Amino acid sequence: DAKTTQPTSMDCAEGRAANLPCNHSTISGNEYVYWYRQIHSQGPQYIIHGLKNNETNEMASLIITEDRKSSTLILPHATLRDTAVYYCIVSNAGGTSYGKLTFGQGTILTVHP
Amino acid sequence: DAGVTQSPTHLIKTRGQQVTLRCSPKSGHDTVSWYQQALGQGPQFIFQYYEEEERQRGNFPDRFSGHQFPNYSSELNVNALLLGDSALYLCASSSLDSGNTIYFGEGSWLTVV
Repeated sequence: DAKTTQPTSMDCAEGRAANLPCNHSTISGNEYVYWYRQIHSQGPQYIIHGLKNNETNEMASLIITEDRKSSTLILPHATLRDTAVYYCIVSNAGGTSYGKLTFGQGTILTVHP
Repeated sequence: DAGVTQSPTHLIKTRGQQVTLRCSPKSGHDTVSWYQQALGQGPQFIFQYYEEEERQRGNFPDRFSGHQFPNYSSELNVNALLLGDSALYLCASSSLDSGNTIYFGEGSWLTVV
């Protein structure tokens, strides 16, 4: 699986958009970009994933660059409950590494009032 | 629809003992993966079960073993516990037939004393 690079920490004001970047310059053509978050002492929560097109769901939007070497997770209106560690993961979903996610250190997002 | 459920939520064991952790996957999922998360670290892949067989394995010793039952539920067994085995153990479930999304349970906190 390709390796990802994320900032160690970020801050965001409540009600503003949180934009979390991720670099994955060695991503392969069949690897998806996944985003999970983990609130202290809880299991990782799935947020969104995509292959090449931008994706949006009720939680967030995922913007993937045309060359697929980086992506941005957007939380449109951050709340205090969005304070968590956010993990960007690339994985060969459906391939030989199906179901295996390689977590890095993630980005600690702190949303403040 | 119940998500991924794990038991027990917390337990304390003595060094040298054995422990069994249990996981019921999300309804419709047939693949179960186990992860270990030490304090302050991201989750690390232990192994994955599909069709009652171990399909993939991470870099963990043979003291870590598992089982998957016909109803897709799974157990993680750790023998000869070491202090370093103290961690949050996470179960994740998925299914190729249900898309590429992997869901995690809330985990089992194991403390070895």
